[in-house]
Amino acid sequence: GEDVEQSLFLSVREGDSSVINCTYTDSSSTYLYWYKQEPGAGLQLLTYIFSNMDMKQDQRLTVLLNKKDKHLSLRIADTQTGDSAIYFCAEETGRRALTFGSGTRLQVQP
Amino acid sequence: DTAVSQTPKYLVTQMGNDKSIKCEQNLGHDTMYWYKQDSKKFLKIMFSYNNKELIINETVPNRFSPKSPDKAHLNLHINSLELGDSAVYFCASSQGGTGVSHEQFFGPGTRLTVL
Repeated sequence: GEDVEQSLFLSVREGDSSVINCTYTDSSSTYLYWYKQEPGAGLQLLTYIFSNMDMKQDQRLTVLLNKKDKHLSLRIADTQTGDSAIYFCAEETGRRALTFGSGTRLQVQP
Repeated sequence: DTAVSQTPKYLVTQMGNDKSIKCEQNLGHDTMYWYKQDSKKFLKIMFSYNNKELIINETVPNRFSPKSPDKAHLNLHINSLELGDSAVYFCASSQGGTGVSHEQFFGPGTRLTVL
């Protein structure tokens, strides 16, 4: 999406940490989401963060939010080959629709 | 148990035909959506319905007509299909409320190919 930007590709080695970045534009977004899409599959909700939070941790996932810079990141610790997928950040607009980023393709090398 | 289901999973058809995609959710959600994902994986909202009422109708050709017979179903009918309609269409649902997140749960997608 032209309003939510992500880098297109990230390659890491198994066991390393992955950091996927996202920049959004709507400062009134209340919730920001991370979704995972495996090949040929639908979107799986991974986690979300409320706009008044700076950080949220959920097992191997850590979400960081810098509201001033409108920057969101997803850190995956101990990345596994099963984490290979496309990761989308999304912001929730006032109409409850999601505006998605263009997706970051994560490739995990053994 | 499937939460959000779509049929068919694949749809191959000729230009000019009319086709429908069906979506059902058994989560008891009050809002349903249709998204289009193009060949570059870009996802964009098309429509949303809340309690059977149209809430969002983005800049989509009027050949696309959503129908919500009840809260659990949102179907998408497409008239006079064009080559550019080829994409993956995702249905999603969420539950409303103030001050809470509205996580959207997605169906598996319908891959439409127009020849």
